[in-house]
Amino acid sequence: DIQMTQSPSTLSASVGDRVTMTCRASQYVSSWLAWYQQKPGKAPKLLIYAASSLKSGVPSRFSGSGSGTEFTLTISSLQPDDFATYYCQQYNRYSWTFGPGTKVEIK
Amino acid sequence: EVQLVETGGAVIQPGGSLRLSCAASGFSVGSDYMNWVRQTPGKGLEWVSLIYGDITTYYADSVKGRFTISRDISKNAVYLQMNTLRGEDTAVYYCVKESSFQRGVLGHWGQGTQVTVST
Repeated sequence: DIQMTQSPSTLSASVGDRVTMTCRASQYVSSWLAWYQQKPGKAPKLLIYAASSLKSGVPSRFSGSGSGTEFTLTISSLQPDDFATYYCQQYNRYSWTFGPGTKVEIK
Repeated sequence: EVQLVETGGAVIQPGGSLRLSCAASGFSVGSDYMNWVRQTPGKGLEWVSLIYGDITTYYADSVKGRFTISRDISKNAVYLQMNTLRGEDTAVYYCVKESSFQRGVLGHWGQGTQVTVST
C-alpha cells in the first residue's frame, strides 16, 4: 500500500492567517490526490481533488498544489469555520489510503 | 441530492458477525462506485471495500476473507457483511460514493455508524 504522511500534526493559527500543510506519499501518485475537511462528530467533506481542483461550492480561500509525492493545502485567510482536521488521500491505486491528518486549532 | 444513511452498527463480541446497511437516494447504487471507509481515533481513516460495475469488488487486506460487500439495486442499498469480528474492527463505518467526475475521489459520505467489538 502507498503510505501517506502529513505535517504538521497540529497547527495553531488565528483568524486571518495564511496556513499551509503538507502531505507526502511513499510512492508516486501523479496528481491523484484529494483533500478532505472533518469536524468533530461529522463525516469528512471533499475540498480538493486532482491535487489542485476545487470542488464546486468550496470557498476559493482553499487551494491545493503539488504532484508526484509532495502536496500542499493552503488556506489563504483562515476563517472561524475552518478550524477542523484536514486529511489527504491518494487514489492512484487500490487500496485508497489516507494521511493521519493535520488539526488546525485556534491559537 | 445524494444522501447516504448507514444503519446496523452495534456492540458485538469478538468472533461475531454484523451486517451494515447503507440506504442511498438521489442516484442509483448500480451505476456508481460505492465504498466503505472506517475511522478510529488510533488508526485514522482506512478504506475497507469497494463495489462497482458487474459486481466487481475490492477489499483491504485487513478485512479480506472476513468482510463481504454487496448491493441490492431494487432497494438502492449497499451492505457490508462483517464476520469473525476482531477488536481492531472497532470503528465508525462510513458508506461513501465516489464522485462522478473522477474515480477514487470520495465525494459523498454518510453520517457513519459505530461498530464496537468488545466482550
